[in-house]
Amino acid sequence: DGGITQSPKYLFRKEGQNVTLSCEQNLNHDAMYWYRQDPGQGLRLIYYSQIVNDFQKGDIAEGYSVSREKKESFPLTVTSAQKNPTAFYLCASSIVRGTARRHTEAFFGQGTRLTVV
Amino acid sequence: GQQLNQSPQSMFIQEGEDVSMNCTSSSIFNTWLWYKQEPGEGPVLLIALYKAGELTSNGRLTAQFGITRKDSFLNISASIPSDVGIYFCAGQLRTSGSRLTFGEGTQLTVNP
Repeated sequence: DGGITQSPKYLFRKEGQNVTLSCEQNLNHDAMYWYRQDPGQGLRLIYYSQIVNDFQKGDIAEGYSVSREKKESFPLTVTSAQKNPTAFYLCASSIVRGTARRHTEAFFGQGTRLTVV
Repeated sequence: GQQLNQSPQSMFIQEGEDVSMNCTSSSIFNTWLWYKQEPGEGPVLLIALYKAGELTSNGRLTAQFGITRKDSFLNISASIPSDVGIYFCAGQLRTSGSRLTFGEGTQLTVNP
């Protein structure tokens, strides 16, 4: 089945440790994204990548890092510099549609809930 | 970043009622998307809109791309308990490439 896989579903880490969240897609999508969601709030963009070996900061990139060495994979590292890392992290990938290929549709993974203790 | 104003923030309705929610912005959007998120899960794409004035249905859900390109509406008819969740709008600016801007979400509760 084609889809976006995030792992693990739940992750616990001690304060001060870096942690890497996995995101893999087999949809052959060019663009991939990482969002953070806090309780009762919307989605905030951390990083996104429109092609392999290229990525851009989103609105809340501080304390996070990413890489995009393969089209299928876009791992997110939550570093010790992130002051409040406990949150629900969502990965997405997108396809461009329309005759002029200018309409984006994004599809999400099931999320990783990170708890830092 | 750009902001989308989504309203209402929450709705409490009886089963069988119709629901309407909307997103507005001061910017012009190229694409409007509507998602539903259930607790502990990722958002699921419900409807995608590409053209101003476009009206698209998906079962009991209907969404419209506003004529001004600055707003979009989602209607749910004859609500049922499994409609419970958070509904998000997302828009793509003409100048933002693949980047999407999300609304804050509408929390829908349906009482049987």
